[in-house]
Amino acid sequence: QKEVEQDPGPLSVPEGAIVSLNCTYSNSAFQYFMWYRQYSRKGPELLMYTYSSGNKEDGRFTAQVDKSSKYISLFIRDSQPSDSATYLCAMSDSGGGADGLTFGKGTHLIIQP
Amino acid sequence: SQTIHQWPATLVQPVGSPLSLECTVEGTSNPNLYWYRQAAGRGLQLLFYSVGIGQISSEVPQNLSASRPQDRQFILSSKKLLLSDSGFYLCAWSGSVEQFFGPGTRLTVL
Repeated sequence: QKEVEQDPGPLSVPEGAIVSLNCTYSNSAFQYFMWYRQYSRKGPELLMYTYSSGNKEDGRFTAQVDKSSKYISLFIRDSQPSDSATYLCAMSDSGGGADGLTFGKGTHLIIQP
Repeated sequence: SQTIHQWPATLVQPVGSPLSLECTVEGTSNPNLYWYRQAAGRGLQLLFYSVGIGQISSEVPQNLSASRPQDRQFILSSKKLLLSDSGFYLCAWSGSVEQFFGPGTRLTVL
């Protein structure tokens, strides 16, 4: 079983829709969770960072962590064509980050104008 | 504010040739530094990380090596490139938990 599972997509939705992106994981020691956005041929950009379970909101983006289910989500409200990108989830059990992050393979999101 | 630079942006190299990719970070001191490779359909693979000058940990045994000659400089090298070394190489830095990525180097080995 892979450590972090993420549907690769592509996920295609019309502009203005609410987008839900998800990851599941198997390592119960993970407690730091991140979402990155990566445009084609660019480096990943940190979007959201959460610790342990709960929700965090930043503008149109909401990150949700359910540690009991080992499931994390990223919601995008009022989606825009500029949101079209690959979204990577990442997680860590180490607060210091010295060991790196475990990434999902990314979901390719397409927002249709 | 912190910035991270990588060069070159793109590189085409023949099999068997050497490699040197450079990463530098500005605006922070004593960062943790990372090299990742991103291959199509395979996600991000951690290659090396460093918690200080001269301190390198390798995650995957392979044809590559890394060095950290200065606090904010991280170098990825190879003596002889293989076809399988092709990919998108990303450098990242971290001060705590979150990692911040550079723009990447796209390497094609022919």
